[in-house]
Amino acid sequence: QKEVEQNSGPLSVPEGAIASLNCTYSDRGSQSFFWYRQYSGKSPELIMSIYSNGDKEDGRFTAQLNKASQYVSLLIRDSQPSDSATYLCAVNGRDSNSGYALNFGKGTSLLVTP
Amino acid sequence: GAVVSQHPSRVICKSGTSVKIECRSLDFQATTMFWYRQFPKQSLMLMATSNEGSKATYEQGVEKDKFLINHASLTLSTLTVTSAHPEDSSFYICSAQGHMDTQYFGPGTRLTVL
Repeated sequence: QKEVEQNSGPLSVPEGAIASLNCTYSDRGSQSFFWYRQYSGKSPELIMSIYSNGDKEDGRFTAQLNKASQYVSLLIRDSQPSDSATYLCAVNGRDSNSGYALNFGKGTSLLVTP
Repeated sequence: GAVVSQHPSRVICKSGTSVKIECRSLDFQATTMFWYRQFPKQSLMLMATSNEGSKATYEQGVEKDKFLINHASLTLSTLTVTSAHPEDSSFYICSAQGHMDTQYFGPGTRLTVL
C-alpha cells in the first residue's frame, strides 16, 4: 500500500510569516511530486511540481524534495490570509506516464491569521 | 494552459433518476482521466480511472454499474450516476492527466439528490 502522510493541522501562522508544510511518502520508486491547494468547497489547484532532489522556487512558494529521506515539503513565504486552505501532497508511482493515479495525502489545513 | 472543465457545476435531482457529468480537457489531450468524490470535510476519494477507448478501472467498493464511466475521446470523459439516491449526494471532481503524471482538476460538480 503506497502511503503519503501529512500532518492534518491546522497549522496556524501569522500574516507575513513562513508556512512550512511537510509530507512523507512510502514508495521509494516515486518520481513525481506535487503540491495542490484546495479551498473549502472548491477543487484542488496545482501549485508546484518537483521531480529532482533539492529546491524549486516559484514566486512565494518553494518545494523541497529529499528522495533519500522520502520527504517533500512546501514553504510559503510572506503568508497571506488568502493562503488559508488545505494543502495536498501527491506522489506518483513507479512508472511515469503509466496512467496510474497519484497517491494523495489527506492534506494539511493552513490558517494564516491577520 | 492545462484547463479542465466540468459540466454541470451543480445539479439537483430526484431520487431514482440518473445524472451525467462531463469532464473535458480544453487545451490538451488526456489519455487518462480520473473521477473523485469528496464528502464535506473529508479527503478526496478516487472512484475510478478512465482510459480513452477502454473500460474504466474502478476502486474497491465503487459500484461500476451505478457509476458508469465513458471516455470516448482524448478530451472527454463522462460519469453517469444511475438511479441516484440521497447518499450519492457529494462533490464529484474529475482530473485529466498530463505530463509526468501531473493531474489537472476540473472545478467539480456538486450533486444533491432529493
